[in-house]
Amino acid sequence: NAGVTQTPKFRILKIGQSMTLQCTQDMNHNYMYWYRQDPGMGLKLIYYSVGAGITDKGEVPNGYNVSRSTTEDFPLRLELAAPSQTSVYFCASRRTSGSGTDTQYFGPGTRLTVL
Amino acid sequence: DQQVKQNSPSLSVQEGRISILNCDYTNSMFDYFLWYKKYPAEGPTFLISISSIKDKNEDGRFTVFLNKSAKHLSLHIVPSQPGDSAVYFCAASGVGTYKYIFGTGTRLKVLA
Repeated sequence: NAGVTQTPKFRILKIGQSMTLQCTQDMNHNYMYWYRQDPGMGLKLIYYSVGAGITDKGEVPNGYNVSRSTTEDFPLRLELAAPSQTSVYFCASRRTSGSGTDTQYFGPGTRLTVL
Repeated sequence: DQQVKQNSPSLSVQEGRISILNCDYTNSMFDYFLWYKKYPAEGPTFLISISSIKDKNEDGRFTVFLNKSAKHLSLHIVPSQPGDSAVYFCAASGVGTYKYIFGTGTRLKVLA
């Protein structure tokens, strides 16, 4: 049971390049999330998904896209990288028991630098 | 608009003493609160949570207190250990929502 895995761990992009951050979970969780963490800041929600085929915007979605074709995978796409997207990106998943008391499990993060 | 606030960016405590980390929130619809711990180069890991129907939850050395009237929660770690040195985030969610709102974190350093 690997939990939540993210690839790559590190990446440097040039302005205008595109890339996909991969996220996979093996816990059969319905809910999945993408966050970014800027230095000295908390985690800001980019996008989330409540199940395969269903995604929605979070607090800071501009410049990103997501898809959820399977329960396990939730990739995050950057189409035209900008320096403002330099950050650490965390993927998370969450089981839902209906009680609202479930916790999120986080991946190890992807450190992205845009130059 | 920062709905969840951790006003102390850092805290230093001697080993064996109590660490108290604070968190304030503004949204009265929040009904579930969590604390996460984060080591460098790792993702956050869940530490402890509390529902709004309680005012205290305890798990070993960790206790979370919730004061709903003050919209304030705190995490107590006693006794503090050097391995507790990390960044601690509080988070909150509301009824029927799928999202957690995170604070900016407090960096705890436990001095040996």
